Amino acid sequence: EAGVVQSPRYKIIEKKQPVAFWCNPISGHNTLYWYRQNLGQGPELLIRYENEEAVDDSQLPKDRFSAERLKGVDSTLKIQPAELGDSAVYLCASSSGFSSGNTIYFGEGSWLTVV
Amino acid sequence: AQSVTQLGSHVSVSEGALVLLRCNYSSSVPPYLFWYVQYPNQGLQLLLKYTTGATLVKGINGFEAEFKKSETSFHLTKPSAHMSDAAEYFCAVANSGYSTLTFGKGTMLLVSP
Repeated sequence: EAGVVQSPRYKIIEKKQPVAFWCNPISGHNTLYWYRQNLGQGPELLIRYENEEAVDDSQLPKDRFSAERLKGVDSTLKIQPAELGDSAVYLCASSSGFSSGNTIYFGEGSWLTVV
Repeated sequence: AQSVTQLGSHVSVSEGALVLLRCNYSSSVPPYLFWYVQYPNQGLQLLLKYTTGATLVKGINGFEAEFKKSETSFHLTKPSAHMSDAAEYFCAVANSGYSTLTFGKGTMLLVSP
């Protein structure tokens, strides 16, 4: 079974440019997460979806970040315009029944460098 | 709010030596606890988890961890380190709604020959 798939793996952009990341979760997983991992830090939640609904976006900087999960499957995270401080790894994850003790599975991440 | 403290940003061991990575947590509800490993330029891979039941949890690659409620700890151990264990290790705790994870800052494990 395929894991969580993310693209692109690596992206270098100039500040003020837009960027988008795509995620395909594990089949059947209704919960999708976007985390951001700064260098030398642990991942921090940006947004959580239950099916197509964003149920926790309190940590998403809404002035420049947006996300969508159309049809409750794939998701896209967008940054516009990017700032130098946005350089980080953007991790997508998915789960089914986490509250029952199931696992949250992570993708390999999209590594963003803003210059 | 839930939180995780990982003692030591870097831990160095010799190949064949005991690995001990420390994790202390704070949780307002019975905790779900996790250890993930991250190899260079890769995502997070689950090593092991504790949700309920037996407090000694065995994971992949010979790692294990013990949930100690009285000490609010979930330390990760491996009897004998291999060079391939060199990576960054993250301890995490579920939030009070059991809907997401809060991570520690990570511990980089260095293994020397």
